[in-house]
Amino acid sequence: GIQVEQSPPDLILQEGANSTLRCNFSDSVNNLQWFHQNPWGQLINLFYIPSGTKQNGRLSATTVATERYSLLYISSSQTTDSGVYFCAVRRLNDYKLSFGAGTTVTVRA
Amino acid sequence: EAGVAQSPRYKIIEKRQSVAFWCNPISGHATLYWYQQILGQGPKLLIQFQNNGVVDDSQLPKDRFSAERLKGVDSTLKIQPAKLEDSAVYLCASSLDAPEQFFGPGTRLTVL
Repeated sequence: GIQVEQSPPDLILQEGANSTLRCNFSDSVNNLQWFHQNPWGQLINLFYIPSGTKQNGRLSATTVATERYSLLYISSSQTTDSGVYFCAVRRLNDYKLSFGAGTTVTVRA
Repeated sequence: EAGVAQSPRYKIIEKRQSVAFWCNPISGHATLYWYQQILGQGPKLLIQFQNNGVVDDSQLPKDRFSAERLKGVDSTLKIQPAKLEDSAVYLCASSLDAPEQFFGPGTRLTVL
């Protein structure tokens, strides 16, 4: 199956700092999603971004499909940004989302 | 628009007991997915339905897990009998025509 690697595994930030999370994948994809899993376990959709760049408030994401990676940027981090961030991809002619192991972000006040 | 609904939110059972989870997808979403998320890992697909037909159940442990989606809307996932290693969060997701999936709040299962 497709391999999805996320880095770093853990990230500790001071409130107000910026950060970049990375997702590498091993095959061509037609779907890439970034999620934030809150402390209650809910997966919140951040971006649906199989290619290109999108921005939503303090978050933005870029996927370079030809080079098989995606980046999630968090700017001016807040304590509410804490949680686990997952990248998930769907391979061409496949149905399921394959998830990375996640990046655990802790934002300290 | 209402999101994906799941119940119960939490369940504690003893090993060898049975348990069932319920999912109601976003209205109009034809595709429904059940994922298992073990602590510290990303979710893993168990089964996918398109309307009331199974598209992919290759990762479903069929000796103890079963799922159905009668009438192509609600779905139930059952475990019988449960094992200790089934302790996990069970997530339901749905999607429309586009590949983007939307997840419910999950059911946290603890098997003692």
